[in-house]
Amino acid sequence: GESVGLHLPTLSVQEGDNSIINCAYSNSASDYFIWYKQESGKGPQFIIDIRSNMDKRQGQRVTVLLNKTVKHLSLQIAATQPGDSAVYFCAEKETSYDKVIFGPGTSLSVIP
Amino acid sequence: EPEVTQTPSHQVTQMGQEVILRCVPISNHLYFYWYRQILGQKVEFLVSFYNNEISEKSEIFDDQFSVERPDGSNFTLKIRSTKLEDSAMYFCANPGHLNYGYTFGSGTRLTVV
Repeated sequence: GESVGLHLPTLSVQEGDNSIINCAYSNSASDYFIWYKQESGKGPQFIIDIRSNMDKRQGQRVTVLLNKTVKHLSLQIAATQPGDSAVYFCAEKETSYDKVIFGPGTSLSVIP
Repeated sequence: EPEVTQTPSHQVTQMGQEVILRCVPISNHLYFYWYRQILGQKVEFLVSFYNNEISEKSEIFDDQFSVERPDGSNFTLKIRSTKLEDSAMYFCANPGHLNYGYTFGSGTRLTVV
């Protein structure tokens, strides 16, 4: 069941270092995966996505890795900047037009 | 990137009162979604709305909740008789502009007292 008062995992990194945020998903039928960034007081913001027929996708300073065998997703942020401080959520969909289901978030804190 | 606009940004209401949260989605979309996020917790699906009908709803979306598209553009979420546990951020969303993720609004923070 759901946890009340869920405490987010926290990752602290030095500015300029690379960050890796991990996520385990549970639905083996999921076909599409997304990473969102949520800054305080704002809605989730799309960062990058990946389909299940891929295992890696790169964007600007971000890379998403997908391991379907162990149902694991990761987000790598290169040269982390203070503006990257936020909560990061992985999310999944069974099909392109299905609802997005969010995973638990990870709070990233960048130390200047 | 087109934007989803939500009003009000913050609403305080007495327990038992009705609230209506408003969303102006990206135009020309048939799909709309409402999500909520209790403080410090993950983002939870409430309801999806396609072509003026509810296409799917979660267990959270009980008889106290309803969605409407009153004038063909605005999109509302109504909570008939608010409870303390309805206090949360409520987000509406459209399918993304260039992807199958969503574009979320900035949210309405609902506080039930």
